[in-house]
Amino acid sequence: GAVVSQHPSWVICKSGTSVKIECRSLDFQATTMFWYRQFPKQSLMLMATSNEGSKATYEQGVEKDKFLINHASLTLSTLTVTSAHPEDSSFYICSALLAPRNEQFFGPGTRLTVL
Amino acid sequence: SQQGEEDPQALSIQEGENATMNCSYKTSINNLQWYRQNSGRGLVHLILIRSNEREKHSGRLRVTLDTSKKSSSLLITASRAADTASYFCATEVDSSYKLIFGSGTRLLVRP
Repeated sequence: GAVVSQHPSWVICKSGTSVKIECRSLDFQATTMFWYRQFPKQSLMLMATSNEGSKATYEQGVEKDKFLINHASLTLSTLTVTSAHPEDSSFYICSALLAPRNEQFFGPGTRLTVL
Repeated sequence: SQQGEEDPQALSIQEGENATMNCSYKTSINNLQWYRQNSGRGLVHLILIRSNEREKHSGRLRVTLDTSKKSSSLLITASRAADTASYFCATEVDSSYKLIFGSGTRLLVRP
């Protein structure tokens, strides 16, 4: 149990386009999901907290208008990278919070390459 | 921002040897967790230690926590080539359940 999926697993796009990444909790409901970004050989950096039915809260330095988060249901959060640029190329990982243990379960990640 | 640092940044050992990784953090915490990440993959949760605990075991893993020094260590005993991965500590600092990750240790276990 407690499986989280991400789609797509990898995506290549042209500079200036927008890319949507989905994060789904497959066998549990999650009112809270988190989005992280990981550059090569670096650690995970928390980008934002996604809350079902309300606005996401962003970490300092993360542009909310560039990284749009929508948590429309208890099993799905989406991250849209708008007007992507090469510097947005990274590994994006989501996690879903399983209550009442409040343990985070991580998705397998999405590798974004912006040409 | 990252909560803390891990050392060493990279560790290369022979199969069968023990591997010790250290994590330091900056603020008070609710708990500290260790994760493993194979190259280009997602995270696997290894172990969670609460702020009022000092040591915890799980199979070949042993975690210690010293809140006075704001540090933790992960010991993998009798390492195997399959243990080759990056290991991250992560701290939960408040009731928001957000995790702040350390810089990670890349472990290579040579067969």
